[in-house]
Amino acid sequence: AQTVTQSQPEMSVQEAETVTLSCTYDTSENNYYLFWYKQPPSRQMILVIRQEAYKQQNATENRFSVNFQKAAKSFSLKISDSQLGDTAMYFCAFMKYRYNNNDMRFGAGTRLTVKP
Amino acid sequence: DTAVSQTPKYLVTQMGNDKSIKCEQNLGHDTMYWYKQDSKKFLKIMFSYNNKELIINETVPNRFSPKSPDKAHLNLHINSLELGDSAVYFCASSPWGSGNTIYFGEGSWLTVV
Repeated sequence: AQTVTQSQPEMSVQEAETVTLSCTYDTSENNYYLFWYKQPPSRQMILVIRQEAYKQQNATENRFSVNFQKAAKSFSLKISDSQLGDTAMYFCAFMKYRYNNNDMRFGAGTRLTVKP
Repeated sequence: DTAVSQTPKYLVTQMGNDKSIKCEQNLGHDTMYWYKQDSKKFLKIMFSYNNKELIINETVPNRFSPKSPDKAHLNLHINSLELGDSAVYFCASSPWGSGNTIYFGEGSWLTVV
């Protein structure tokens, strides 16, 4: 079974600074997908970024980027120029490569607070 | 124009009751899901359906029964509600194929008293 570990239950960062959220996973698969989702106080789950394991290039999405280390099974999220609206729970998620079986497993989440 | 919509958003009910949560997606996706988020924010998959066919059925009490009348709808019916069923239930959908992004609804907050 795949497990996803987020070792930082809570983090805080000053507005405009950079913060990195860590995520590790355990799998014997070679092909898979990794995601970061954001859940603000509104509870809506919002996709932040997606990474395909067979791509060596780290995914980026505006102020959000990942550091994907496949050998280390690590998938950290870097948020640059943090904004107050980035305050949320952040979930790392793993999905196996299976045709039409998108079984996504989540980590326990990291609560990020951006301070003014 | 909510992509994945679920109703009701809030539900307070007594133990032993039966309740349903409805979900509809207008994204044209073939696969739909139900996830449960407990009080510690842990998210766990319950079911997934692809074109009305059950694909994933996690270890969930059989008091929980999903129903997919068509590929745009996946409803969740819960019988004999228990205190431990209190949680936020998320409906979600994704396109056909592997590795596709899953899009979530806003969640239905169920409180059993």
